[in-house]
Amino acid sequence: AQTVTQSQPEMSVQEAETVTLSCTYDTSESNYYLFWYKQPPSRQMILVIRQEAYKQQNATENRFSVNFQKAAKSFSLKISDSQLGDTAMYFCAFMKHVRGNDMRFGAGTRLTVKP
Amino acid sequence: EAGVTQSPTHLIKTRGQQATLRCSPISGHTSVYWYQQALGLGLQFLLWYDEGEERNRGNFPPRFSGRQFPNYSSELNVNALELEDSALYLCASSTRQVSYEQYFGPGTRLTVT
Repeated sequence: AQTVTQSQPEMSVQEAETVTLSCTYDTSESNYYLFWYKQPPSRQMILVIRQEAYKQQNATENRFSVNFQKAAKSFSLKISDSQLGDTAMYFCAFMKHVRGNDMRFGAGTRLTVKP
Repeated sequence: EAGVTQSPTHLIKTRGQQATLRCSPISGHTSVYWYQQALGLGLQFLLWYDEGEERNRGNFPPRFSGRQFPNYSSELNVNALELEDSALYLCASSTRQVSYEQYFGPGTRLTVT
């Protein structure tokens, strides 16, 4: 079974600074997807970034980037130049490379960006 | 393009009753996924529907069921409600071919008293 672990229940960062959220996962699969989702107080789950396991290059989306370490089964999210609007719950998720498969989520990290 | 919609926003039921939650996917999406987000926990996969059929289900009892209609909208039914069923229920949709791009709705908050 695949499990996803987020070891930081809460984090805070000053506006304009950089913060890194940690995620580890356990799987015997060789091909899979990893995701970071953001859930603001509005409850809407928003995809932040996606990484395909067969790609060695780390994914980036503007201020968001990941550090994907496949051998270590680690997938951290770095947020640069933090903004107040980044305040949200962040969930790491895993999905096998099988059509229609479900996602497995971590318990989440609550990030607060302070002015 | 309209996103995934869910109704109702909030639902309050008493223990033992039945709850029905509804989801409309993005136009062109044929797959619908249901997730349960209990307080303080991550999302737990409930059900996957595609082309009107239940394709996969998570580790939940049979009193969690649902269906998908010909227009690809979906219903989640929870029978014999228990207090621990109180949670945010999220629906997501995708195309069948690109299932790793799941778009989420705003959720239905179910409270069981």
